[in-house]
Amino acid sequence: DAGVIQSPRHEVTEMGQEVTLRCKPISGHDYLFWYRQTMMRGLELLIYFNNNVPIDDSGMPEDRFSAKMPNASFSTLKIQPSEPRDSAVYFCASRSMIDSGNTIYFGEGSWLTVV
Amino acid sequence: DQQVKQNSPSLSVQEGRISILNCDYTNSMFDYFLWYKKYPAEGPTFLISISSIKDKNEDGRFTVFLNKSAKHLSLHIVPSQPGDSAVYFCAASARGGADGLTFGKGTHLIIQP
Repeated sequence: DAGVIQSPRHEVTEMGQEVTLRCKPISGHDYLFWYRQTMMRGLELLIYFNNNVPIDDSGMPEDRFSAKMPNASFSTLKIQPSEPRDSAVYFCASRSMIDSGNTIYFGEGSWLTVV
Repeated sequence: DQQVKQNSPSLSVQEGRISILNCDYTNSMFDYFLWYKKYPAEGPTFLISISSIKDKNEDGRFTVFLNKSAKHLSLHIVPSQPGDSAVYFCAASARGGADGLTFGKGTHLIIQP
């Protein structure tokens, strides 16, 4: 059974460019989360969706960040324009409240470097 | 203001001995706690969890202890094995997990041969 799938795995981009990270959650999961991992702040929750609807985006650092979930099997996290301080590992995760309760399942992450 | 704190960035333990990883939390609304394990270049994977109605949960070599009055939990690994070398994240949730998980910064466990 496929896990959470993220793309790209690695992205190097120049400051000011637009970055789009993609995520396919586990089939049947009704929650989708975007986390960011940095050395300074650890794993931070950026935004999460329930049944494709954004529930809490209070963790999104700035207006430069936006996330969408057009359907149950796809989500994007966009940074425009990107800045060097956005360099981090971005994780997508999903969960089924019925099947997995509080446990969320992570993808392998998208390593973003903004130069 | 960090609601979940792992005060030891790293921990070194000899193979075969017990590893004890600690975690403190400040939000009294947290009612479910989890430990995740992360290898380099991989996503975190679920390890073990505990509900606030319990004070201990065991799964093979892994045991999680919860002390609600002290707002403290710990993960015990006995015996420690080389494959246990990883970063361990403590996580907590409130309202039955409806708001997602709040993570600590992680503890890098190094098992020495």
